[in-house]
Amino acid sequence: NAGVMQNPRHLVRRRGQEARLRCSPMKGHSHVYWYRQLPEEGLKFMVYLQKENIIDESGMPKERFSAEFPKEGPSILRIQQVVRGDSAAYFCASSIRRGDEQYFGPGTRLTVT
Amino acid sequence: QQPVQSPQAVILREGEDAVINCSSSKALYSVHWYRQKHGEAPVFLMILLKGGEQKGHEKISASFNEKKQQSSLYLTASQLSYSGTYFCGTERGNDMRFGAGTRLTVKP
Repeated sequence: NAGVMQNPRHLVRRRGQEARLRCSPMKGHSHVYWYRQLPEEGLKFMVYLQKENIIDESGMPKERFSAEFPKEGPSILRIQQVVRGDSAAYFCASSIRRGDEQYFGPGTRLTVT
Repeated sequence: QQPVQSPQAVILREGEDAVINCSSSKALYSVHWYRQKHGEAPVFLMILLKGGEQKGHEKISASFNEKKQQSSLYLTASQLSYSGTYFCGTERGNDMRFGAGTRLTVKP
């Protein structure tokens, strides 16, 4: 059973470009969470999605950031017009049910130049 | 609002014990514990639920005081492999909030 997959693992974007981060949850998991982590800091909750629905996006900036988890395909975190401050590691995690243990993907390290 | 962890960092010798604390200002449904090694993804250790149910790691134990909204992670007879940053996550409703982490270093 493959774990949570994220791609790309590393992404370099210039200021003003768009970044698309993909997350495929573990098989059988319909709950996906996105977190941002700056170097030497904790995990900051961004958004929680269930298939086709955004359940909680209270941790996500209202501008430039969006997330989706379509019926078919991976969950996508999209950052438009990236700025240097968006540089971070972005982790997604999945669980079978809300409140269950979360399994994390390897993360996408975004660098904005 | 994220939970508060203490201490921020701890250094142990192999075989020593450590306690990591996690507290929240709000009522909790559950507390999760994860460990993250440098450059890697966090790995699930344990969940503690209201009512006393626990689910998780064999060699690591934890407690959850619902009234005080506090949890403690107990690492006994530490091994080199225990080194990493430990995060508690508190769940209230639809979101998970993680503490800033406790960096544990175990030396030979």
